[in-house]
Amino acid sequence: KAGVTQTPRYLIKTRGQQVTLSCSPISGHRSVSWYQQTPGQGLQFLFEYFSETQRNKGNFPGRFSGRQFSNSRSEMNVSTLELGDSALYLCASSQMDNTEAFFGQGTRLTVV
Amino acid sequence: GQQLNQSPQSMFIQEGEDVSMNCTSSSIFNTWLWYKQEPGEGPVLLIALYKAGELTSNGRLTAQFGITRKDSFLNISASIPSDVGIYFCAGPMYSGGGADGLTFGKGTHLIIQP
Repeated sequence: KAGVTQTPRYLIKTRGQQVTLSCSPISGHRSVSWYQQTPGQGLQFLFEYFSETQRNKGNFPGRFSGRQFSNSRSEMNVSTLELGDSALYLCASSQMDNTEAFFGQGTRLTVV
Repeated sequence: GQQLNQSPQSMFIQEGEDVSMNCTSSSIFNTWLWYKQEPGEGPVLLIALYKAGELTSNGRLTAQFGITRKDSFLNISASIPSDVGIYFCAGPMYSGGGADGLTFGKGTHLIIQP
């Protein structure tokens, strides 16, 4: 069974641009969550999608958004990038809720 | 919000030694998860705990769900070089409508000295 796949692995963007990251969950998993990991703040919950609906949201500004498709694949978008958005963005999938979550390798975003 | 305090922050040990780390919270958790992360990779789920007092093993790893439901412990026996990495505890946050996502400790960085 394939694991969680995130693309791309690395991205470099300029301040003010926008970016879209993609996540394919484990087959059969319907819940997809996104996390931001930085050295200072650690791992922080962004949002969770289940059956194409955002079910939960963390404490991040509206520049961070996401969506989920009917095949459970998910994308997250960050608009008007800031230097502080540089981080490892991790996607996790689980079967029903996001308790026992399995993570992808992450997308390393660098904003210059 | 629910916060997890993980200790120690880092451990420098010799190969073959046993390792103990813990995670505490001021809030009650119904589930405790332990993850390991290596450089350039995402966290890998090691052990999941669902019941107070539960003791669960995964090879040389053993984790316990504290009786008060406010703490958890992870032990690694007879450490080997591939145990190097950052170990995170995590638990689901709740705000009334189901799990809101996982909250993570800051991690314990395990370093094995030759």
